[in-house]
Amino acid sequence: EPEVTQTPSHQVTQMGQEVILRCVPISNHLYFYWYRQILGQKVEFLVSFYNNEISEKSEIFDDQFSVERPDGSNFTLKIRSTKLEDSAMYFCAAGGPHNSPLHFGNGTRLTVT
Amino acid sequence: RKEVEQDPGPFNVPEGATVAFNCTYSNSASQSFFWYRQDCRKEPKLLMSVYSSGNEDGRFTAQLNRASQYISLLIRDSKLSDSATYLCVVWAAFTDSWGKLQFGAGTQVVVTP
Repeated sequence: EPEVTQTPSHQVTQMGQEVILRCVPISNHLYFYWYRQILGQKVEFLVSFYNNEISEKSEIFDDQFSVERPDGSNFTLKIRSTKLEDSAMYFCAAGGPHNSPLHFGNGTRLTVT
Repeated sequence: RKEVEQDPGPFNVPEGATVAFNCTYSNSASQSFFWYRQDCRKEPKLLMSVYSSGNEDGRFTAQLNRASQYISLLIRDSKLSDSATYLCVVWAAFTDSWGKLQFGAGTQVVVTP
């Protein structure tokens, strides 16, 4: 069983629409992250989340982005008004404390048209 | 200078040969280092953690050189299934227990029959 499951695997949306990407980590993970990877580019950090709040975010993570973990299991990334340049693979990652390696979900491919 | 820098390759390697490549990092306070493997349009998967003394896992050997701020990965007896992009990943700390993974852009390895 994968440690981190993401849904949907592929999402196509029109520019300006809202999307919600979902992630379900195994319950003993405490630290959660979103990363993204634009096709052909490197994996980029978006945001980290611990104890129900954002602990760090990158400059990519602007006001259009938000995260929450409303029910203690699902960890979501919302993009309020998508732009063409938001098209990318979005990876959720989860792990333990103290610079341990992260477990990545299988990713959601977001295509904004 | 990029935080984590890798030779993008591709490294074209005959099956059975040995290939090695490095990754340099700029933050001298980095504490943990990892090699991830990423297949095309898939999530990064942890290949191995890199310990200060270097470590070996089957055909894969990782080394850390803190003085020169680089890590290396060596693959012996290359197999066709080793064809992938190898991501150098460095843990950058925010606090003693918090941080984020910084990714290199990856080194592409192509093993040929």
